[in-house]
Amino acid sequence: GAVVSQHPSWVICKSGTSVKIECRSLDFQATTMFWYRQFPKQSLMLMATSNEGSKATYEQGVEKDKFLINHASLTLSTLTVTSAHPEDSSFYICRVRGGARGNTIYFGEGSWLTVV
Amino acid sequence: RKEVEQDPGPFNVPEGATVAFNCTYSNSASQSFFWYRQDCRKEPKLLMSVYSSGNEDGRFTAQLNRASQYISLLIRDSKLSDSATYLCVVDSSNTGKLIFGQGTTLQVKP
Repeated sequence: GAVVSQHPSWVICKSGTSVKIECRSLDFQATTMFWYRQFPKQSLMLMATSNEGSKATYEQGVEKDKFLINHASLTLSTLTVTSAHPEDSSFYICRVRGGARGNTIYFGEGSWLTVV
Repeated sequence: RKEVEQDPGPFNVPEGATVAFNCTYSNSASQSFFWYRQDCRKEPKLLMSVYSSGNEDGRFTAQLNRASQYISLLIRDSKLSDSATYLCVVDSSNTGKLIFGQGTTLQVKP
């Protein structure tokens, strides 16, 4: 079964609203979580890296006030897309690193966001 | 220049064919290399790591050429189920921060 659970899988929201995506590690402690975004026919682009208990580190060009990341516990990280617009419609996916040796790496199942 | 570059394809091949994908990376200090497979609207899944000496896993063979900063994936005896997008992935800073190529799409036809 899945060791990283991402929720929701699909979400449709109205322009201007906020959407929260959760990423949970089920069987191990996630010391680091990576959030990616993938537009159709394009590569996964790293948005930010978060370590438990610390502020996220955002990649160049990613607005930290728009994409709020919280990694308050060793099993949960959330990405909130604030004031979503149609151009934010994309596939958002978390990748988790952790485990006893810090070398356990898994992807969440991804979340499809459509902003209408 | 992109950090990881791949030919997006698509590659359309008949069942049983052998197909090769190539990938180049820009950071010569990169240490870890992977091929991932991504099915439509799904998360990427690790296909295999790529080692300096080259490695094989069943019908799949991966090669790394550090001098040319070039990675390849060879698929022999293609199956219909091999149809997917293959992502070349590099850990350029050895921090677990993976950089993904655009992906190469493979369509295996009956």
